[in-house]
Amino acid sequence: KQEVTQIPAALSVPEGENLVLNCSFTDSAIYNLQWFRQDPGKGLTSLLLIQSSQREQTSGRLNASLDKSSGRSTLYIAASQPGDSATYLCALKKITGGGNKLTFGTGTQLKVEL
Amino acid sequence: NAGVTQTPKFQVLKTGQSMTLQCAQDMNHEYMSWYRQDPGMGLRLIHYSVGAGITDQGEVPNGYNVSRSTTEDFPLRLLSAAPSQTSVYFCASWPGQLNTEAFFGQGTRLTVV
Repeated sequence: KQEVTQIPAALSVPEGENLVLNCSFTDSAIYNLQWFRQDPGKGLTSLLLIQSSQREQTSGRLNASLDKSSGRSTLYIAASQPGDSATYLCALKKITGGGNKLTFGTGTQLKVEL
Repeated sequence: NAGVTQTPKFQVLKTGQSMTLQCAQDMNHEYMSWYRQDPGMGLRLIHYSVGAGITDQGEVPNGYNVSRSTTEDFPLRLLSAAPSQTSVYFCASWPGQLNTEAFFGQGTRLTVV
């Protein structure tokens, strides 16, 4: 069974800091990894999708990397802003007997303070 | 584009009542899934569908039924609500190709009293 761990569970940083969020998984036979953002009381917004054959993806101040051999992905946020405050979730897509499924980590709650 | 639409956004039920959470997508996606999100537990898969007429159970299917009569709609039914089903429910969809992005609805916050 795929286990997905996100550390830390919560993080508070001052504005302007560069930071790294971690996602670890036990089964490296994945097809892609997707990072989401979730604001309080809201749905999930997709940030980045990394295919299994890729090492990293970038979008603006966000950079996500994937190392399947070590079972790790990181989300790098440059020059953090208060608007980045949210919960960040990683999700892995893997083929199963009945199709393909997403398995989620429990998330990292980020607070960026002025 | 509407994307994935869930209704209602909020619902309060009494124990034993039944209800249906609606999910519709307008992207012609083959895959649709229902998740529940509870504090400290992350998102857990309830049921999923790989196409019209095909459904299967996820991690936590007990107490829930689904059907998929069309590509667009994937309703989740609670037959006899229990307080343990108090949660936030999310519907997701994605195309049949493997290396594709998943899209989520805005969620339904359900309270069972």
